[in-house]
Amino acid sequence: ETGVTQSPTHLIKTRGQQVTLRCSSQSGHNTVSWYQQALGQGPQFIFQYYREEENGRGNFPPRFSGLQFPNYSSELNVNALELDDSALYLCASSLNSQGGYTFGSGTRLTVV
Amino acid sequence: DAKTTQPPSMDCAEGRAANLPCNHSTISGNEYVYWYRQIHSQGPQYIIHGLKNNETNEMASLIITEDRKSSTLILPHATLRDTAVYYCIGAQRSGGYQKVTFGTGTKLQVIP
Repeated sequence: ETGVTQSPTHLIKTRGQQVTLRCSSQSGHNTVSWYQQALGQGPQFIFQYYREEENGRGNFPPRFSGLQFPNYSSELNVNALELDDSALYLCASSLNSQGGYTFGSGTRLTVV
Repeated sequence: DAKTTQPPSMDCAEGRAANLPCNHSTISGNEYVYWYRQIHSQGPQYIIHGLKNNETNEMASLIITEDRKSSTLILPHATLRDTAVYYCIGAQRSGGYQKVTFGTGTKLQVIP
């Protein structure tokens, strides 16, 4: 059991650029969710993928998009970065929403 | 998802039981109560969840009131490593979709 790994751990981007964050789910987990956590706040749900399809979305604009691959790894893409997108981005995986989610350590994104 | 209310902070003496309360008066019949914790700069860690019955695992116990409007997470013998932000969450588990919505949580400080 390898847990959830995210890459990169830290990233600095310029406003207007695009970014791709990556996540490897825990072995056997087919559900992945992405969260945004601003400093001092709880994580905010962005969206969830189940068997390669988005099946739930939070209150985030379409410039936040994602993919889940056949091996259940996942990407979060953010276009047209804004300063407020600076946050810790967390990936979490689960098996069919059973039990709790296993979170990665996150990617710290800074937009300047 | 149920809105949850938690005290913003609590202290607990090392070795004593930490009792963390959570109000979830709007929880629906098919929503589970989940608890996670987040140690500084790490991703949230799943602790325990339950629907109606009290639950216990190697980390903690979860006591849910009969009307399911509140619950208490109990760490039986708090250690310094239990210092973290604890999140109580109401989340549905059905159809492969579980939107987990975090609030601001309770910051637990374990004191030597």
